[in-house]
Amino acid sequence: NAGVTQTPKFRILKIGQSMTLQCTQDMNHNYMYWYRQDPGMGLKLIYYSVGAGITDKGEVPNGYNVSRSTTEDFPLRLELAAPSQTSVYFCASGTGTVNTEAFFGQGTRLTVV
Amino acid sequence: RKEVEQDPGPFNVPEGATVAFNCTYSNSASQSFFWYRQDCRKEPKLLMSVYSSGNEDGRFTAQLNRASQYISLLIRDSKLSDSATYLCVARGLGRDMRFGAGTRLTVKP
Repeated sequence: NAGVTQTPKFRILKIGQSMTLQCTQDMNHNYMYWYRQDPGMGLKLIYYSVGAGITDKGEVPNGYNVSRSTTEDFPLRLELAAPSQTSVYFCASGTGTVNTEAFFGQGTRLTVV
Repeated sequence: RKEVEQDPGPFNVPEGATVAFNCTYSNSASQSFFWYRQDCRKEPKLLMSVYSSGNEDGRFTAQLNRASQYISLLIRDSKLSDSATYLCVARGLGRDMRFGAGTRLTVKP
């Protein structure tokens, strides 16, 4: 079972470049999330979506954009990359039902130089 | 104030020890609570959900105290394989999941 798939696994960007982190899930989950995790730190919520066409800001949305045109896909766009965006990015999905968990992708390690 | 706070540790314990982790959450409207485990450079994986009545899964026991907005995880008979970072999670009405910074556990022979 594929579950939550993130691409790419690793990426190095130059300051000012843009890129899209891809996330797709095959579990028909309505809820999807993007987190970033800085070294030695916990996960911070960037954006989340409760269904196709609906997105909401999390704790640290600045510098990022998202879209949710289908249930399966939830891409994260970085515009004008900055060194502060060097992090590991995790995508997750879940049903959103009370007491049901979210499942995570393997992460994308992004370095901005 | 962070929405979910945990003691960062690290906790260094010998095999066979019992260790407890605590977590507090600030949003009284939070409805669901979880403990996730994260191994180094890997994605978080669900360890267990936390129910109001408390729940147990083998050597692991989770407790929730809504009045004090407090969650705990107890690990009995620690194994070397329990070494990891343990993340506390609270999910609110908006279904956004907020993570604590994690507590690092090292179990030594």
